[in-house]
Amino acid sequence: GQNIDQPTEMTATEGAIVQINCTYQTSGFNGLFWYQQHAGEAPTFLSYNVLDGLEEKGRFSSFLSRSKGYSYLLLKELQMKDSASYLCAVIDSNYQLIWGAGTKLIIKP
Amino acid sequence: DVKVTQSSRYLVKRTGEKVFLECVQDMDHENMFWYRQDPGLGLRLIYFSYDVKMKEKGDIPEGYSVSREKKERFSLILESASTNQTSMYLCASSLSGSVNEQFFGPGTRLTVL
Repeated sequence: GQNIDQPTEMTATEGAIVQINCTYQTSGFNGLFWYQQHAGEAPTFLSYNVLDGLEEKGRFSSFLSRSKGYSYLLLKELQMKDSASYLCAVIDSNYQLIWGAGTKLIIKP
Repeated sequence: DVKVTQSSRYLVKRTGEKVFLECVQDMDHENMFWYRQDPGLGLRLIYFSYDVKMKEKGDIPEGYSVSREKKERFSLILESASTNQTSMYLCASSLSGSVNEQFFGPGTRLTVL
């Protein structure tokens, strides 16, 4: 079966750095998305990785290793507004999007 | 500013009722999707459409149907609502092709009593 694993919940301190991991076992791979979802709101796009390596976008970076079936989202200089759920999603060989359950990130002052 | 709108943020219905959830996008996107989101589970795809009048079943289509008569509008229908359909329903749209980001509506929280 297809599976995406993310930690259920993480806690970090304002101003710090946090890494949210995502591991996947899917039938094929055609890319990986990260989305941010604040409580009660719609998911919004953060990043897309299809090649191995690190993609940096301001305070957020996303890393992919296709051989390891692994990605992480790195958030730097954490702000209170970064408290949200972070969703990992993989495009499989049939171009279907497989979603992880999401990681709830709690930022403390 | 791109937008996906859904007809209701909150909806309460009774078991056995027919329920319509409407979604409209103003981005001229070809693809539209209906998901449900439940605690501890990832987004689960109910149906999607890649063109007007076209529809494809997702992972959990049972108990649902859809309609896409116009490009900008994608409707989800619960023929006879049941309590296990209490959930958050999210609509999304994207450009044609499978690797484009999806834009989501604000969601409809449906409670079936």
